[in-house]
Amino acid sequence: EVQLVETGGGLIQPGGSLRLSCAASGFTVSSNYMSWVRQAPGKGLEWVSVIYSGGSTYYADSVKGRFTISRDNSKNTLYLQMNSLRAEDTAVYYCARVRYCGGDCLDYWGQGTLVTVSS
Amino acid sequence: DIQMTQSPSTLSASVGDRVTITCRASQSISSWLAWYQQKPGKAPKLLIYKASSLESGVPSRFSGSGSGTEFTLTISSLQPDDFATYYCQQYNSYPVEFGQGTKVEIK
Repeated sequence: EVQLVETGGGLIQPGGSLRLSCAASGFTVSSNYMSWVRQAPGKGLEWVSVIYSGGSTYYADSVKGRFTISRDNSKNTLYLQMNSLRAEDTAVYYCARVRYCGGDCLDYWGQGTLVTVSS
Repeated sequence: DIQMTQSPSTLSASVGDRVTITCRASQSISSWLAWYQQKPGKAPKLLIYKASSLESGVPSRFSGSGSGTEFTLTISSLQPDDFATYYCQQYNSYPVEFGQGTKVEIK
C-alpha cells in the first residue's frame, strides 16, 4: 500500500528556515517523480516543486531561490528545505507522488503538514 | 504560465442532482487535465486524468470531458459523499496550475 507521511511543520518566525520530510512506503521515491503542493488556510492548491527520478528539479516562481527539493534514497524520503520564510508561505504542505498521465498528475498524497510563518 | 479558471466557485445541489463544473485554460492544454476532490482537513484525491480517464476506484458517476481550453467534470447523480471541493489541474507544462476550486454544498 502506498503511503506518504509528512513531518516537520510548525511555527517559525519570518526569515527563518524549516525542513519538511515526506516518508514514503509501498513504492520507491527515487524511481518516481515527486512533488510538493501547498494550500494556504482557506485557499486553493498551489504547486511548489517537483523532482524527477533523474534528479532534475523545478520550482514555482514564488519559492525559487528559497526552497530546495531533495530526496534521500536510503531513507526513501523526500524533503523540502525552506529558507527565508515569509508570512505568505504559511500553508499546509503536501507531498505527492507524480504518475505519468501523459504528463504529471498526482496520484497519491500525504496528509499534509502545517507551516505557520509568524512573529 | 497557463491560468486555470473554474466556474462556479460555489454550487448548491441536492442528493440525486446532476452537477457540472467547468474549467477553462488560458491556452490549449490538449487533454492534459486532471480533476481532484478535496474534503475538509483531507488531502486531495485524484478523480480524473487526461481529461476523461477515470482513476481506479472512483465511482462511475464521475466523468470528465473536453479538450483544448474547455473542460467539464460531471457528477451524474450527486451522493452525500460527494459534497466537497473540486479542483482542476493542467499538466501540459510547468508550472502546473490548479483552478481556484468549486465547492459543492448541500442545498
